[in-house]
Amino acid sequence: AQSVTQLDSHVSVSEGTPVLLRCNYSSSYSPSLFWYVQHPNKGLQLLLKYTSAATLVKGINGFEAEFKKSETSFHLTKPSAHMSDAAEYFCVVSDFVDKIIFGKGTRLHILP
Amino acid sequence: ETGVTQTPRHLVMGMTNKKSLKCEQHLGHNAMYWYKQSAKKPLELMFVYSLEERVENNSVPSRFSPECPNSSHLFLHLHTLQPEDSALYLCASSQAGQGFSYGYTFGSGTRLTVV
Repeated sequence: AQSVTQLDSHVSVSEGTPVLLRCNYSSSYSPSLFWYVQHPNKGLQLLLKYTSAATLVKGINGFEAEFKKSETSFHLTKPSAHMSDAAEYFCVVSDFVDKIIFGKGTRLHILP
Repeated sequence: ETGVTQTPRHLVMGMTNKKSLKCEQHLGHNAMYWYKQSAKKPLELMFVYSLEERVENNSVPSRFSPECPNSSHLFLHLHTLQPEDSALYLCASSQAGQGFSYGYTFGSGTRLTVV
């Protein structure tokens, strides 16, 4: 069985400081992992994906994530937060064709 | 725009009404999905269509009825809904069997309010 846990429901950082959004997963197989972002009243946009290639994955808007099998983690980071990064972020795991599991989401707040 | 278009963007309906949500994709994908996003709950997968056949129905009440007439279009027909059905309904698409590798493309959603 697969599952995904986003450890924080809300994260607040000041503009210009680093962002860390935490995600742990459970999977019986080698999973694919994704991060999606959802801005208010919008759909979900794919930020980045890990599919068993390089463990450090770079995505759009300066975000990156590192797959750590030993820690079953896939945390999302960004060196310097921007006001436009304020949104909800979803970690997603998939280890079966066409079956994906979403985390509950982390709402990122950017303080001026 | 992501290539997946949902209409209408907002819908208010009474509990006795019948309405339909529409999803259209121009990405050449052949798998389409309906998700429900309620406040403070994880996204819930409702229906999956792969190659125009329904392959998954996650115990969704019969007041929700999906239709996939071709690989580019997906509908969700609604009738006699309850206030707890108020939510953001998201449509997504992928290449059948490749969502695992490439991810899914989502529309902007339909915000449904049942009064």
